[in-house]
Amino acid sequence: ELKVEQNPLFLSMQEGKNYTIYCNYSTTSDRLYWYRQDPGKSLESLFVLLSNGAVKQEGRLMASLDTKARLSTLHITAAVHDLSATYFCAVDMGGLVFGKGTKLTVNP
Amino acid sequence: DTEVTQTPKHLVMGMTNKKSLKCEQHMGHRAMYWYKQKAKKPPELMFVYSYEKLSINESVPSRFSPECPNSSLLNLHLHALQPEDSALYLCASSPLPGLAGGLRTDTQYFGPGTRLTVL
Repeated sequence: ELKVEQNPLFLSMQEGKNYTIYCNYSTTSDRLYWYRQDPGKSLESLFVLLSNGAVKQEGRLMASLDTKARLSTLHITAAVHDLSATYFCAVDMGGLVFGKGTKLTVNP
Repeated sequence: DTEVTQTPKHLVMGMTNKKSLKCEQHMGHRAMYWYKQKAKKPPELMFVYSYEKLSINESVPSRFSPECPNSSLLNLHLHALQPEDSALYLCASSPLPGLAGGLRTDTQYFGPGTRLTVL
């Protein structure tokens, strides 16, 4: 059974600080997805990481994938309040299997 | 157009009612999905349609009945639901089916969801 584990599950950050969310998964996969969800809203696609060593950046967010370690990271640089949301990683098994999510709160 | 639409946005139904959720996309995607999301939990896969055929059913109770009438439309028929079925139901689509269909998928685009309450 595929397991997708995220940590931390809760992250309280100060504005301007950097932090990393980790996503470990238990099966071979060369595709890893990151989504953002705001309260009461649907899922917004952030990144699709397609191969080992893939790195993608969008604004203050950067995602990477190490398929050998079965690890993806989402790095947040100089956090701002607008980044407050829940972030999910997911692995494709025909449909997506999600991690439990990381609830990120950015405080002034 | 990268939009997946879902109707209705909200639905309240009794345990004896029959209702349907509708999902539509006009991106030419050939894979469509239903997910269920309970409060403060991640989405859980329910069904996958590949080229209008049901390819994955994640052991979903028969009170949920999916239907894919054409490549743009996906329905979820609801009958005799229980209060614990109350959740956000999310539809998604992607250009190609995922691993189980033998092909690789690209980003899944999610609709806004239908918030279902079963009384």
